[in-house]
Amino acid sequence: GESVGLHLPTLSVQEGDNSIINCAYSNSASDYFIWYKQESGKGPQFIIDIRSNMDKRQGQRVTVLLNKTVKHLSLQIAATQPGDSAVYFCAENNWGRDALNFGKGTSLLVTP
Amino acid sequence: NAGVMQNPRHLVRRRGQEARLRCSPMKGHSHVYWYRQLPEEGLKFMVYLQKENIIDESGMPKERFSAEFPKEGPSILRIQQVVRGDSAAYFCASSPGPGRDQPQHFGDGTRLSIL
Repeated sequence: GESVGLHLPTLSVQEGDNSIINCAYSNSASDYFIWYKQESGKGPQFIIDIRSNMDKRQGQRVTVLLNKTVKHLSLQIAATQPGDSAVYFCAENNWGRDALNFGKGTSLLVTP
Repeated sequence: NAGVMQNPRHLVRRRGQEARLRCSPMKGHSHVYWYRQLPEEGLKFMVYLQKENIIDESGMPKERFSAEFPKEGPSILRIQQVVRGDSAAYFCASSPGPGRDQPQHFGDGTRLSIL
């Protein structure tokens, strides 16, 4: 069936390094993608989104890359900080539906 | 600027009781979504509502679960005759327009525990 999944369940990086979190999706009709950050005991927090007519979008310290050919999405975090430690989810929806389809999440651990 | 407000934050019920979860969307948002999250999993869509209307309930279990978003007041997710498998975190999100092309903003959830 259609799914959104993440390549790695956990990622450990050193403070100051760049982090890359990957996500694969299987529905070629997906046209809107969002990255969320979820800290323990909290709800998902919006980080950045991208539409299918773009292949790159930048925010503050974050960049999202979209490769529609291979149905792959990545989140890059520059100069990772301890406060970036959290679970990161990619989510997508496709034209005609409003519900988001979430992947399982990648746990990012930033070590000093 | 208050975000999405959910209450209670924690709810404990015994099997067979009813659970009512409330969600007040962000100011100016008229679209509400409910999701369920099991431990170490992603969120699963349950239902999408606009004021007084259920737009998409494709993720709702067929029995015991219902949702409403009245003209006045918060959205309510109601679970009747709860069972152990209903234990989860329930998140509400809101958006100013349809969620297909703008981000949904989430509350901090209600953690439901069934004894």
